[in-house]
Amino acid sequence: DVKVTQSSRYLVKRTGEKVFLECVQDMDHENMFWYRQDPGLGLRLIYFSYDVKMKEKGDIPEGYSVSREKKERFSLILESASTNQTSMYLCASRVAETQYFGPGTRLLVL
Amino acid sequence: GQNIDQPTEMTATEGAIVQINCTYQTSGFNGLFWYQQHAGEAPTFLSYNVLDGLEEKGRFSSFLSRSKGYSYLLLKELQMKDSASYLCAVPDQPGANNLFFGTGTRLTVIP
Repeated sequence: DVKVTQSSRYLVKRTGEKVFLECVQDMDHENMFWYRQDPGLGLRLIYFSYDVKMKEKGDIPEGYSVSREKKERFSLILESASTNQTSMYLCASRVAETQYFGPGTRLLVL
Repeated sequence: GQNIDQPTEMTATEGAIVQINCTYQTSGFNGLFWYQQHAGEAPTFLSYNVLDGLEEKGRFSSFLSRSKGYSYLLLKELQMKDSASYLCAVPDQPGANNLFFGTGTRLTVIP
């Protein structure tokens, strides 16, 4: 069974705080992804990684950075949280052609 | 670039059959995915079509026509728990690691 976990289901932060969202998969997958999902906009890709220390920008990388120091862990960092980063954040890991998602983190920035 | 069109909302009756359509434009086709997403939860993988035709998986089937840029998801014997959003997705580019998602179709099943 494919298992992708995320560090928090719900998170409340203040504007300007640095926020870390962690994603872990235990299947030795090379490809991992961070999306955000907003009503009416669907899933939008923020960053993805195809190997340790390798990363690629997605469609909306502004205001975010990522870290992949170990294969199983892919972190999304909000350098200085803003209210427009309030969203549902979804991590995914890819096996063969298919992406499998973690449970998501609902982030509220006040 | 990629583009996906799906109806925004659909309503169907418990026990009935519903077809959710997806039309897509891609720079090069490399498969089409369907995901189910219940409110407040993460998407879960339903199906992956790379060849034309119908693939059946229990109550759910997925159809693909590459020449028409068209797919549909068919749900039979609808149950209340099938109320969810259904997302159509294609690789962002041929051979790409990431997917481009449509905005999804929210299906409501009524008694």
